[in-house]
Amino acid sequence: QKEVEQNSGPLSVPEGAIASLNCTYSDRGSQSFFWYRQYSGKSPELIMSIYSNGDKEDGRFTAQLNKASQYVSLLIRDSQPSDSATYLCAVDGGADGLTFGKGTHLIIQP
Amino acid sequence: EPEVTQTPSHQVTQMGQEVILRCVPISNHLYFYWYRQILGQKVEFLVSFYNNEISEKSEIFDDQFSVERPDGSNFTLKIRSTKLEDSAMYFCASNDGIADTQYFGPGTRLTVL
Repeated sequence: QKEVEQNSGPLSVPEGAIASLNCTYSDRGSQSFFWYRQYSGKSPELIMSIYSNGDKEDGRFTAQLNKASQYVSLLIRDSQPSDSATYLCAVDGGADGLTFGKGTHLIIQP
Repeated sequence: EPEVTQTPSHQVTQMGQEVILRCVPISNHLYFYWYRQILGQKVEFLVSFYNNEISEKSEIFDDQFSVERPDGSNFTLKIRSTKLEDSAMYFCASNDGIADTQYFGPGTRLTVL
């Protein structure tokens, strides 16, 4: 049974600061990792994908992957109130679909 | 920008009734998925579909559930006899078969009374 673990929060971060979100996964053979953002009552929206160890940057977002530690993280720089949402870590299982964590509820304080 | 669409946005039904949730995946995508999210819980995989047949299904996807691609655009999830515990958001997703990225539709909120 594949598992993805996230701290559910809430994580409260002042506006303009860096928000750091973390995720661990159980299946050492996993190859593809995703961060989705989900506003209350809405569907998951893709933020970042990462496949290789190291960092991947896209605008204010940086995803980090460490396969040896089975750890994925997402950094959000210059946090804005509109970044307040639940952030879902997901691991791809091919035909088995995505395995999601429970999500971290992020609150950006103005 | 192409997007996945789902109808209806909200469906209310009585326990024991059949419901059909509809999805139109992105037009050139080849892989289709259904997920559900019970209020306050995580998104859970139900079923994947490729080349007009089910690829994989989870333990949740029992005999009460079925999927169909009746034409070249629609992808449907049928629940034959709804239970109270089927109340959830149901999301359709699609993938182009090249990258692993799945794009989600806006969801259908199913309420079983």
